[in-house]
Amino acid sequence: DTGVSQDPRHKITKRGQNVTFRCDPISEHNRLYWYRQTLGQGPEFLTYFQNEAQLEKSRLLSDRFSAERPKGSFSTLEIQRTEQGDSAMYLCASSTGSETQYFGPGTRLLVL
Amino acid sequence: GEDVEQSLFLSVREGDSSVINCTYTDSSSTYLYWYKQEPGAGLQLLTYIFSNMDMKQDQRLTVLLNKKDKHLSLRIADTQTGDSAIYFCAERSGGSYIPTFGRGTSLIVHP
Repeated sequence: DTGVSQDPRHKITKRGQNVTFRCDPISEHNRLYWYRQTLGQGPEFLTYFQNEAQLEKSRLLSDRFSAERPKGSFSTLEIQRTEQGDSAMYLCASSTGSETQYFGPGTRLLVL
Repeated sequence: GEDVEQSLFLSVREGDSSVINCTYTDSSSTYLYWYKQEPGAGLQLLTYIFSNMDMKQDQRLTVLLNKKDKHLSLRIADTQTGDSAIYFCAERSGGSYIPTFGRGTSLIVHP
């Protein structure tokens, strides 16, 4: 068990560019979650997968955001036409039926 | 919407006990969690408690739940400098897979 991993750990981009983040969950976990965390706040839910199916999306997930989990293992989160307000830490978590979520180290995004 | 409230800061002396408090509003909360976040890192699950429990102890950590008052606390015994971090309280109802997090309590441990 190597835990949840995320790549990259840091990303700096210019406004208007597209970015993609990857999350590898704990291998036996069938549920995968994406969160966004801004300074001084707790994680805010973005979206959630059970296996390859995206089952829930937050209203925070604008149409510039898209997430996939094509084979029910790793997941990607893409942000198109980034804005300065997208600057945040993007956290991935995974769980099994126990529903206790285990978090990755996060990807810190800075949009200039 | 549902709400989880925490005080923002707590400062303690090394070796003392720390008590971090949390209140929540969702009466259907079934699972209550404490996570720890160190600077620049993700969240580390410390412990959790089911709503039908009053207390859970795990080494230096003691969780107390007052379900009537919707109040959760985390006590850290013999606080060390390595305990300095942000501590997040989170709650989840049985009907949802998604926990609601508080804003976090920044614990500062000084010598």
